[in-house]
Amino acid sequence: QVQLVESGGGVVQPGRSLRLSCAASGFTFSSYGMYWVRQAPGKGLEWVAFIWFDGSNKYYADSVKGRFTIARDNSKNTLFLQMNSLRGEDTALYYCARDYSMTVVAPDYWGQGTLVTVSS
Amino acid sequence: EIVLTQSPGTLSLSPGERATLSCRPSQSVSSSHLAWYQQKPGQAPRLLIYRASSRATGIPDRFSGSGSGTDFTLTISRLEPEDFAVYYCHQYDNSLWTFGQGTKVEVK
Repeated sequence: QVQLVESGGGVVQPGRSLRLSCAASGFTFSSYGMYWVRQAPGKGLEWVAFIWFDGSNKYYADSVKGRFTIARDNSKNTLFLQMNSLRGEDTALYYCARDYSMTVVAPDYWGQGTLVTVSS
Repeated sequence: EIVLTQSPGTLSLSPGERATLSCRPSQSVSSSHLAWYQQKPGQAPRLLIYRASSRATGIPDRFSGSGSGTDFTLTISRLEPEDFAVYYCHQYDNSLWTFGQGTKVEVK
């Protein structure tokens, strides 16, 4: 079955960096686009970034553009999110999710999330 | 960026009742790119509906989606105890993805 397991979250000071990982299994990782979506405590869902199945195209929400970088290693079935210049408003549970398909363009399977807390 | 406005913010209903949730995009959205999710406390979101009206795998037929353009609806025909949760609509357009702010369906 499809499994997505995020890791790398933690407490970090404003202005510092953090790298999240998402280990995928149970499907052909290299055939699917992948998302990062976040949820601040008690708030709704916010799309963060998307990467094509082959890594050739990447898209970002305006709130993270220029600070965050999405990447993938298809040989290791792993998705990454490099987060630089972190701010308090980046505090959230970060989910990785698989794209349903290139025509539906919506997440179907989600991990359980990794919590990032930005605080001094 | 397309903004999705969901209403009502909270829906108070009893088990067995019908729930009707609205999602209104700030501009027209392709039905192919409109989805609905359910999220329970402490859990990841679950895809319910994609392409505005197609049920995802394993989703009971009491859940249905409809609509087009700037007016979409998620209907739960008869609420089961496990359906009390927060529901989000979601859209994709021009390499940007957005979620609505959510509708909480709570027990009356």
